[in-house]
Amino acid sequence: DTAVSQTPKYLVTQMGNDKSIKCEQNLGHDTMYWYKQDSKKFLKIMFSYNNKELIINETVPNRFSPKSPDKAHLNLHINSLELGDSAVYFCASSQAPTFGLAGAGEQFFGPGTRLTVL
Amino acid sequence: AQSVTQLGSHVSVSEGALVLLRCNYSSSVPPYLFWYVQYPNQGLQLLLKYTSAATLVKGINGFEAEFKKSETSFHLTKPSAHMSDAAEYFCAVNPFSGGYNKLIFGAGTRLAVHP
Repeated sequence: DTAVSQTPKYLVTQMGNDKSIKCEQNLGHDTMYWYKQDSKKFLKIMFSYNNKELIINETVPNRFSPKSPDKAHLNLHINSLELGDSAVYFCASSQAPTFGLAGAGEQFFGPGTRLTVL
Repeated sequence: AQSVTQLGSHVSVSEGALVLLRCNYSSSVPPYLFWYVQYPNQGLQLLLKYTSAATLVKGINGFEAEFKKSETSFHLTKPSAHMSDAAEYFCAVNPFSGGYNKLIFGAGTRLAVHP
């Protein structure tokens, strides 16, 4: 009964490869996010989707392309992987896209995917 | 732009001692504030949140935080540390940017608890 799940947990790949990370939430939330945590543990938002629609797109290289087939799933595809992409990627979800509609916008996080690019 | 500053990247306390993790935010309006905990090799778990209902907020595992507008602070405390509290703690703000939820995180504070 995991609330937010991600696969795979670990991903080791060579530079230049293309890889995908999958995320699923069973909380019934409308909004999902991708965050990147770098080697110094700093967390930064990358994307946000609300009911399959992209609503937040931070300054992220075009090599990163999120896709949301339905509001319970948000995948992250990365093309032409670079060394600097090595990080832990967290998926998260919240009940609504804005505060006030439902709570303070607290987000529930998945366990993370540790991506290592060699 | 809104930001969050956590003073002290590492804090070490003895088991049973007071835990104090500092967080200051910059915001032109009172924001929504959160504390998350990350245990080794795990995701982030919400400890508590401030939503302007009460300035003293109680969370899980005996933690609490007090919102002080005059000091733009939201420090996290626990009266008596337990070994299981050892983890990374993140303070975050919801900046209301464009009306959409977007957590801005501090750099994190690693809490070590020794016997």
